[in-house]
Amino acid sequence: AQKITQTQPGMFVQEKEAVTLDCTYDTSDPSYGLFWYKQPSSGEMIFLIYQGSYDQQNATEGRYSLNFQKARKSANLVISASQLGDSAMYFCAMRGGVSNFGNEKLTFGTGTRLTIIP
Amino acid sequence: DTEVTQTPKHLVMGMTNKKSLKCEQHMGHRAMYWYKQKAKKPPELMFVYSYEKLSINESVPSRFSPECPNSSLLNLHLHALQPEDSALYLCASSQDEGFVNPGDSGNTIYFGEGSWLTVV
Repeated sequence: AQKITQTQPGMFVQEKEAVTLDCTYDTSDPSYGLFWYKQPSSGEMIFLIYQGSYDQQNATEGRYSLNFQKARKSANLVISASQLGDSAMYFCAMRGGVSNFGNEKLTFGTGTRLTIIP
Repeated sequence: DTEVTQTPKHLVMGMTNKKSLKCEQHMGHRAMYWYKQKAKKPPELMFVYSYEKLSINESVPSRFSPECPNSSLLNLHLHALQPEDSALYLCASSQDEGFVNPGDSGNTIYFGEGSWLTVV
């Protein structure tokens, strides 16, 4: 079975600073994908960034980058130059594998609530 | 802007009412999903449709009835709900139900804005 662990229930960061949100995962499958989603208080679940398990380079999307350390089973999200609009809940998630039926479902972590302070 | 649209945004219904949540996507995706999310929790999968056919039902009570009229539309019919069913309901879609090779960004599941449901 797959598992995602997010150990930071909440974080407070000063505006314009960089922030790292932690995510570790566990899977026995060699083939998987890792995702980060942002959920503002409005409820919409916004896809931010994707990293495939065979990718050699860290994924980047604008101010978002994913620090992928495969040996440590870590997939931290880095937000550079944080903005007030970054305040939201952030979920790390994974899906994948053809060796275990059911692993194609998206498995979520418990989330980290990020608050940006002006 | 999200390419998965959900209506209504907010719904208040009595326990004897019948209502529906609607979802539409125009990305040509072949898999569509319903998730339920309670406060301060991650989303929980309810149903998966693949090529307009129900593929997964996560043991959801029959008072929730999904329907996929065509490849772009997904409905969730609600009847005789309980107050504990109050939650955010998220619709989502992806290219396919299965997970393709990791290098394929088509594995991404895109969500809508959600429908906030309150059962009174």
